[in-house]
Amino acid sequence: GAVVSQHPSWVICKSGTSVKIECRSLDFQATTMFWYRQFPKQSLMLMATSNEGSKATYEQGVEKDKFLINHASLTLSTLTVTSAHPEDSSFYICSASQGSPGQPQHFGDGTRLSIL
Amino acid sequence: AQSVTQPDIHITVSEGASLELRCNYSYGATPYLFWYVQSPGQGLQLLLKYFSGDTLVQGIKGFEAEFKRSQSSFNLRKPSVHWSDAAEYFCAVGRNTGNQFYFGTGTSLTVIP
Repeated sequence: GAVVSQHPSWVICKSGTSVKIECRSLDFQATTMFWYRQFPKQSLMLMATSNEGSKATYEQGVEKDKFLINHASLTLSTLTVTSAHPEDSSFYICSASQGSPGQPQHFGDGTRLSIL
Repeated sequence: AQSVTQPDIHITVSEGASLELRCNYSYGATPYLFWYVQSPGQGLQLLLKYFSGDTLVQGIKGFEAEFKRSQSSFNLRKPSVHWSDAAEYFCAVGRNTGNQFYFGTGTSLTVIP
């Protein structure tokens, strides 16, 4: 149980393109979803926390207009990287939690984004 | 400030040898503690978690971890390492309010024949 599906797994696109990444909890209701960015050989950097039906909470230094997050249902959250540039190239990972403190986060397999 | 420290950036062990990965945390209250494993190019898989109760926690793939409050530690152990255990391991502390985690910087495990 507790499967999180993340799509696409790999995206290559031109600079200026907007890219949408989907994160779905397949067998549980995810009250809270998280979006992380991971640079090579480094830990996860939390970008934002999203609760179903409300606006995402962004971490300091993360541009809200650049990284649009929507959490419209208890099983789906999306991250849209708007007008992507080469510096946005990274590995993006989502996770989902059932919401209570102490509940584990269940992670998707990540999306490798490469902007040319 | 809350933080998680994994002192060992990289560890190499021989297949069949025992393993211990260290994790120290700094948190004001009793923490929720987790260990995750990440294979290259993939997401994180939950190995085990500690909420309360027995301080020795059993997880998947033969891993266990022991919570030691006096040492603020939650070290991960495995008696006999398999080549497939080679991966990146992350320790995490969950906040008592909300669901956010503080992640350690990770320990990269190499297993040699």
